[in-house]
Amino acid sequence: EAEVAQSPRYKITEKSQAVAFWCDPISGHATLYWYRQILGQGPELLVQFQDESVVDDSQLPKDRFSAERLKGVDSTLKIQPAELGDSAMYLCASSSPGTVNTGELFFGEGSRLTVL
Amino acid sequence: KQEVTQIPAALSVPEGENLVLNCSFTDSAIYNLQWFRQDPGKGLTSLLLIQSSQREQTSGRLNASLDKSSGRSTLYIAASQPGDSATYLCAVLQRASWGKLQFGAGTQVVVTP
Repeated sequence: EAEVAQSPRYKITEKSQAVAFWCDPISGHATLYWYRQILGQGPELLVQFQDESVVDDSQLPKDRFSAERLKGVDSTLKIQPAELGDSAMYLCASSSPGTVNTGELFFGEGSRLTVL
Repeated sequence: KQEVTQIPAALSVPEGENLVLNCSFTDSAIYNLQWFRQDPGKGLTSLLLIQSSQREQTSGRLNASLDKSSGRSTLYIAASQPGDSATYLCAVLQRASWGKLQFGAGTQVVVTP
């Protein structure tokens, strides 16, 4: 069964360092989402792509976070510099062209970030 | 702004008991509502999706109801098993939101043998 791939699964870094997360969506899924989930809270959307274009990045802290999906397939989320409050699970999800408006998302296993 | 609330935050039941998980939302103009399961340190798996025009949706031991006018949904899990231990999150999709889900904080469930 097709899956959303994410790496790394775990990342420990010191504050002020740079970190990057990678996501490969299910083949053919044009819409890609990055969510952040702080421990004990629900996921919050950071950025949404339609192919290579950003649809919504209203909740992305643009002073330190950046996201790209250059060829409209895989995506990278970067944090520079990392802060203690960035410790969270970063979840990638994708949806197919036929279901983008229905909320039927497929999630990856997530990347757990710990900032020391 | 839509707010999604799940109470209680945690729940522990003995095996065999039925589970009742609650979700409330403030804006009734939703397109649909989903229930997800999340195992510790893992991603989310969709369990049930209820369209705004539906009252309930069933899958095996799971049944979810939706009362849009009162802003409430309930997930019932019959005859709970230790394997049902996980965090359950509900999420609503607003109309014209282009797939953006609003999540509750989840209910952490422990089913003891």
